[in-house]
Amino acid sequence: DIQLTQSPSSLSASVGDRVTITCLATQDISNYLNWYQQRPGKAPKLLISDASTLEAGVPSRFSGSGSRTEFTLTITSLQPEDIATYFCQHYDHIPYSFGQGTRLDLK
Amino acid sequence: EVQLVESGGGLLKPGGSLRLSCVTSGFTFTSAWMNWVRQAPGKGLEWVGRIKSTTDGAATDYVAPVNSRFIISRDDSKNTLYLQINSLTPEDTAVYYCTTDFMGPPRGFGYFAFWGQGTLVTVSS
Repeated sequence: DIQLTQSPSSLSASVGDRVTITCLATQDISNYLNWYQQRPGKAPKLLISDASTLEAGVPSRFSGSGSRTEFTLTITSLQPEDIATYFCQHYDHIPYSFGQGTRLDLK
Repeated sequence: EVQLVESGGGLLKPGGSLRLSCVTSGFTFTSAWMNWVRQAPGKGLEWVGRIKSTTDGAATDYVAPVNSRFIISRDDSKNTLYLQINSLTPEDTAVYYCTTDFMGPPRGFGYFAFWGQGTLVTVSS
């Protein structure tokens, strides 16, 4: 089974900061990777699909990159509403799996 | 508007069983593949299993640790997804979410585009 490891596990940043979260896969998953945002007490929301495709309505300050085993989620200018936990998820084959999450809060 | 509404959670004792429901609307449920994802308190997301559309045989897949205790089913006449959990253990304590998967072209499978609000299952003696 494919394991996804996110780093860091938690991160404190200031409004306007550039934030980068990494997701490493234990096998080559091409670009079969999605990113989700989960605000406290809410269901996750699909942000980025296919490693780099922004979902409709997601602000352009979010971007994704990477392929094969290394992927990155970047927020170019952190906003207060971006405070959340972020998860990567692969769909290369069953079983799907998620990274353990990166908790982002304000410094 | 796509809506997914889970129900059936609650406080249960170890060894018991329950069935969660997810009533859907706003999309063609009969064509959709669906997932269950759970989240233990303060923890990350765990994919539990998936059911394909009836047209695709309603085939099911599960994460290995739950394979023998969890049963996913669907009733297309009611646009409803189910998760039966048997032999409950405290480790099954979590919020259970239903999510969409494959919903028809052009997008393939593996995209959890829509989520319900979740239903909390607590297993404790």
